[in-house]
Amino acid sequence: GENVEQHPSTLSVQEGDSAVIKCTYSDSASNYFPWYKQELGKRPQLIIDIRSNVGEKKDQRIAVTLNKTAKHFSLHITETQPEDSAVYFCAASNSDYKLSFGAGTTVTVRA
Amino acid sequence: DADVTQTPRNRITKTGKRIMLECSQTKGHDRMYWYRQDPGLGLRLIYYSFDVKDINKGEISDGYSVSRQAQAKFSLSLESAIPNQTALYFCATRDSTNNEQFFGPGTRLTVL
Repeated sequence: GENVEQHPSTLSVQEGDSAVIKCTYSDSASNYFPWYKQELGKRPQLIIDIRSNVGEKKDQRIAVTLNKTAKHFSLHITETQPEDSAVYFCAASNSDYKLSFGAGTTVTVRA
Repeated sequence: DADVTQTPRNRITKTGKRIMLECSQTKGHDRMYWYRQDPGLGLRLIYYSFDVKDINKGEISDGYSVSRQAQAKFSLSLESAIPNQTALYFCATRDSTNNEQFFGPGTRLTVL
C-alpha cells in the first residue's frame, strides 16, 4: 500500500515568514495529493490539492509543488499569520480512492 | 449547507462494552470512510464503503466492524472496547467527481 512520510513534525515561524512542509510517497500510481488543515478541536479541512498532471498550484498565500519523478510534494505558506497556526496533513491517493495520510506537522506562528 | 455529522461527539465507556458511532451525510456522496486519529500518527483508515452494503477493510480494521444500510449513513462498531481504542474518530465522505474528501466533526472516545 501507499506510505506517506511528512517532515517536519513541528515547525515554528515568525509572523510574516514562510513555512514549508515536505512529504514523500511510495506508490508511483498515486495521482491526487491534498493538504488538510486541522485547527485545535476541529475537523480536518481541505486547503489545497494537486493532481499528477500539474507541477504547481497556488491559492493566495498557499502553494503546493509536486515532483513525480522524486515522489515528493510540498506545501508553501507565505506571509504567515497567527491564524495559520494549526496541524497540517498531507495525503496521497491513487485510483483506489483511499487517502493515505502523513503523520502531520504542527505549525506555530509566533507574533 | 450539505454536511457530514457524527454522533455522539464524546463518549466514555468501559473495557468490554459494545459501542456504536454513527455518521450521517447530506452531501449525496457514495463513498464513505472511517478514520482514527492518534497523536503523532495522523489519520489511519479503519473501513470504507463505496455504496450501500459495500464494505472494505482499511489498514487497521481489527476490533472494529461497520454497517452501510443507506447511502447517507455509515456506522462504526466496537464489539468489545479496549483501552487502546481510545482515540478521536472521524467519518468522511468523498466526492467521486473531483476526489475531494470531507470530514465530520469527530467523536472523542475514551475506553477506561
